[in-house]
Amino acid sequence: GENVEQHPSTLSVQEGDSAVIKCTYSDSASNYFPWYKQELGKGPQLIIDIRSNVGEKKDQRIAVTLNKTAKHFSLHITETQPEDSAVYFCAASWSGTYKYIFGTGTRLKVLA
Amino acid sequence: GAVVSQHPSRVICKSGTSVKIECRSLDFQATTMFWYRQFPKKSLMLMATSNEGSKATYEQGVEKDKFLINHASLTLSTLTVTSAHPEDSSFYICSARHRDTMPYEQYFGPGTRLTVT
Repeated sequence: GENVEQHPSTLSVQEGDSAVIKCTYSDSASNYFPWYKQELGKGPQLIIDIRSNVGEKKDQRIAVTLNKTAKHFSLHITETQPEDSAVYFCAASWSGTYKYIFGTGTRLKVLA
Repeated sequence: GAVVSQHPSRVICKSGTSVKIECRSLDFQATTMFWYRQFPKKSLMLMATSNEGSKATYEQGVEKDKFLINHASLTLSTLTVTSAHPEDSSFYICSARHRDTMPYEQYFGPGTRLTVT
């Protein structure tokens, strides 16, 4: 079955710096890759997603890149702000069941 | 749009009792709902997939007789933890797939924290 690895598990950056979180997946059938932000005690919120027919997608300060050959995708947050502090999860999904397999999560701390 | 609610947000129950958690899609019809479990500082683990009007499909290792899932309508799915024990204490999160939008997108509820004493 699909397996998603995520690194790093924790990440501290200074306010204004960039943050990069990386994920790798194992099943080449996966073709949809969302990223979620989860604040303490809350459900995950979708922040950006990418499909396998696209190599990069950007939404203001957030971007995601996908390398299908290497089976990895990354989240890039530029000009980080304290409110970006949260746990970020990547996930992989595929057509048919549309189940999500989540990565292990990255705790991002933006230092003011 | 695409709001998912869960009720209750927190519940404490005694060991041996059963507790029901509701997941509702408030402004859309959901063909499929998913139930996840999350331990402190851990990732979301998919427990089961439920489709309206049919039996839920459970992930390997999830006891279907312990975690009863019912998806009676296009806007409501329920998870009942039967004969709860302290090890069932966890954060339970549901998500829903919108019937009319792209099939991959899941909208997540705010979660229910279950504590079994």
